[in-house]
Amino acid sequence: QKEVEQNSGPLSVPEGAIASLNCTYSDRGSQSFFWYRQYSGKSPELIMFIYSNGDKEDGRFTAQLNKASQYVSLLIRDSQPSDSATYLCAVQAGTDKLIFGTGTRLQVFP
Amino acid sequence: DTGVSQDPRHKITKRGQNVTFRCDPISEHNRLYWYRQTLGQGPEFLTYFQNEAQLEKSRLLSDRFSAERPKGSFSTLEIQRTEQGDSAMYLCASSDTGGVDTQYFGPGTRLTVL
Repeated sequence: QKEVEQNSGPLSVPEGAIASLNCTYSDRGSQSFFWYRQYSGKSPELIMFIYSNGDKEDGRFTAQLNKASQYVSLLIRDSQPSDSATYLCAVQAGTDKLIFGTGTRLQVFP
Repeated sequence: DTGVSQDPRHKITKRGQNVTFRCDPISEHNRLYWYRQTLGQGPEFLTYFQNEAQLEKSRLLSDRFSAERPKGSFSTLEIQRTEQGDSAMYLCASSDTGGVDTQYFGPGTRLTVL
C-alpha cells in the first residue's frame, strides 16, 4: 500500500467550476498535510498546509482534513485555465521529511 | 528574500562521471532537504540537514550519493559514478523550525545521464 495516494487524473473541469482533489494516507501518526502545485517542468510551489481536522480557507483554495478517515482534500473555487497543473499532496509524520503522492493532473478548459 | 536557489539548473553527463549540485536555502532557514523526482512521480526524500548536521538519509540512498552542509548555509549533493537510473530532477527545499515545518522548493537541477 502506498503511503500517500492520489488519483493521477487528469481531472477536467470547466472554467469557473469547483475542482476537488483528493488524497488518502496510511500513517495515522501523520501530523501535517501540504498541497503543492507543480507546473510542467517546474518545481513544486506551496499552496497551503493544514494540521487540524476541518476546513482551512485561503482565497480560492480550501483544504479539508479528516484524520479519522485519513483523508485530505483541496477544493479550488472559480477554477481558471492558469490552475491547470499537477497538484501534489504531501504528508509529514514523525520526522520532518515530506511523503508525496504521485499527484493529480488538473485541466481547466475555457 | 530571493528564495531557494540551485545550481546548475541542467546537467548532462556521461555514465560513470561524478556530478555535484549546489543549493542555497532561504537565508533564515536552518533546515535543508534534498528530494529527487522522476517523471510522473512525486518528489522522493533523499536527506536533510538541520544547520550543519545531517539528521536523516533515506535508506534508498545509494552510497554513491553524499551530501554536505559544512557551515550550515549552502549544501552540496554529489553523485559518484553516475548511472542512467540517476536521471531525474533533484530538488532542494528549506524551512525554519518555527511552527509547522513548511518547506519551500528551489527550481531544481535536472540531471540527464547518457
